Amino acid sequence: EPEVTQTPSHQVTQMGQEVILRCVPISNHLYFYWYRQILGQKVEFLVSFYNNEISEKSEIFDDQFSVERPDGSNFTLKIRSTKLEDSAMYFCASSEGAGGNQPQHFGDGTRLSIL
Amino acid sequence: GESVGLHLPTLSVQEGDNSIINCAYSNSASDYFIWYKQESGKGPQFIIDIRSNMDKRQGQRVTVLLNKTVKHLSLQIAATQPGDSAVYFCAESPSPNTGNQFYFGTGTSLTVIP
Repeated sequence: EPEVTQTPSHQVTQMGQEVILRCVPISNHLYFYWYRQILGQKVEFLVSFYNNEISEKSEIFDDQFSVERPDGSNFTLKIRSTKLEDSAMYFCASSEGAGGNQPQHFGDGTRLSIL
Repeated sequence: GESVGLHLPTLSVQEGDNSIINCAYSNSASDYFIWYKQESGKGPQFIIDIRSNMDKRQGQRVTVLLNKTVKHLSLQIAATQPGDSAVYFCAESPSPNTGNQFYFGTGTSLTVIP
């Protein structure tokens, strides 16, 4: 069964450094998402992406965050200058159609630890 | 923001029994809901979905019930197995949903006792 893959599984970074989290969505999917989950809390929406542009972003997704689809398969999340509070699990998801009406399929996440 | 919450944070059941996990949502305009299962170290895994024009939907060993009157969603797992032990989240899609995002509840941890 096709799946969303994320790399790395764990990323440790010094505060203030840039980090790039990578995702390969399911190949025939057109809509892409990033969510995060702080330990012990709920999964929170960050951003949705379709047709090479951001569809929607949450309050969390400030100027330090950016997303990119650099080629036909990868979807990346960049945090420009990491803060301690960015420590969380980051999940990439994709859906075949508009995700508000179709299931979103998630990867296994990248655990980001900011020191 | 949206509010999707769960009645019980933990649930323990005997293997072979049926499990019921509940979820309350706050946006009466939400029209699409998903139950996800999250095992330790993994991402949320799609289990079953339901649209607001339905009140019940069945899958393999799982049933989702939607009561729009009281804004309540439940997931029933028949003949619960040890492999069902995980955290279960309901997720809500508001309408309109220009960003296609889902709002997740805090999760219920299901433990199956062999």
